[in-house]
Amino acid sequence: GAGVSQTPSNKVTEKGKYVELRCDPISGHTALYWYRQSLGQGPEFLIYFQGTGAADDSGLPNDRFFAVRPEGSVSTLKIQRTERGDSAVYLCASSLGTGQETQYFGPGTRLLVL
Amino acid sequence: DAKTTQPPSMDCAEGRAANLPCNHSTISGNEYVYWYRQIHSQGPQYIIHGLKNNETNEMASLIITEDRKSSTLILPHATLRDTAVYYCIVKPNSGYALNFGKGTSLLVTP
Repeated sequence: GAGVSQTPSNKVTEKGKYVELRCDPISGHTALYWYRQSLGQGPEFLIYFQGTGAADDSGLPNDRFFAVRPEGSVSTLKIQRTERGDSAVYLCASSLGTGQETQYFGPGTRLLVL
Repeated sequence: DAKTTQPPSMDCAEGRAANLPCNHSTISGNEYVYWYRQIHSQGPQYIIHGLKNNETNEMASLIITEDRKSSTLILPHATLRDTAVYYCIVKPNSGYALNFGKGTSLLVTP
């Protein structure tokens, strides 16, 4: 079946602008995760959803970052007042149910803040 | 969560076995060893995971030492498409966040 998809694949924005990044998980997966990967580093955990609710948002770097998953499927990561340091690849993953199973990743969204 | 240590880079000739080591000396009894890889400009790809027994699937084998303080991922016949960064991750069964670290950059050469 279809894997995790993310849109857009690339996003260029200016400092101070607002951006939204979208993730479509694998159909039937109730757990969804966002990670951020800076150049030369491994992915870092941002937030975990179980269904519609954020079960753990401890990885979000500050209050400019927010994520939603209103119907328990598609999720949107929102970044307000973007800064150049927000430039990174934003990765989404999903897993079947409890959050303890294998996570399957999407291709990521490459965000560049000028 | 337990920390892992991997060599930053390794080379392997095409067709030969690639053996990627990982140290996790502080691993706890309920923590699993996961391996993911990331090919350039793609998202991480799950390879294999295990608790204490050796595991094998269509992609690779995972050998975990008896004391569980280290493991080795084996790609039995490496191809050029196996060139990627390989991440060894220790995760408790009750946890969900994957702590990737920097991984091992494997270069498979013709």
